[in-house]
Amino acid sequence: GENVEQHPSTLSVQEGDSAVIKCTYSDSASNYFPWYKQELGKRPQLIIDIRSNVGEKKDQRIAVTLNKTAKHFSLHITETQPEDSAVYFCAAKGYSTLTFGKGTMLLVSP
Amino acid sequence: SQTIHQWPATLVQPVGSPLSLECTVEGTSNPNLYWYRQAAGRGLQLLFYSVGIGQISSEVPQNLSASRPQDRQFILSSKKLLLSDSGFYLCAWSVGNGLYGYTFGSGTRLTVV
Repeated sequence: GENVEQHPSTLSVQEGDSAVIKCTYSDSASNYFPWYKQELGKRPQLIIDIRSNVGEKKDQRIAVTLNKTAKHFSLHITETQPEDSAVYFCAAKGYSTLTFGKGTMLLVSP
Repeated sequence: SQTIHQWPATLVQPVGSPLSLECTVEGTSNPNLYWYRQAAGRGLQLLFYSVGIGQISSEVPQNLSASRPQDRQFILSSKKLLLSDSGFYLCAWSVGNGLYGYTFGSGTRLTVV
């Protein structure tokens, strides 16, 4: 089955800095890669996704890149703000269900 | 629009007691449904998923079970809870096989004492 590795497990940045979270996947047939943000005690919410026929996607301060050859994808957050503090999960979808990474706790200090 | 309801929000149960968590989806037909568990500070573990009424796939062998008695209803059960069953339980749904992502319910925080 699919295996998704996510790094780092914790990321601390100063407000205004950029943050990058990286994921690798194992199943070359995976074709959909969403990113979820989970605030403390709340449900994970989809913030951005990318499909295998696209290399990069942007939505305001967040962007995702995908390298199918290397089987890795990344989340980039620019001009971080304290409200960006949360746990972020990457996921990959192959034949069946989504497989999630173990999450990255992002802490943005004012 | 589609909405997903999950209840209860919190639950404290003694070891050995039964469990029933319910999830319903509105505004869509024949959704794929999922149960996830999240231990404190950990990732999302898929427990069960269902592609239709009465069709349940189990991902992790344990003392939990799931049922889908109606198209938009998904139930997570246990006959006897263990301490290790404590966690944050999330129901989710997707259109088809999930190529538009999953939408999660608000979760149930279960504490087994």
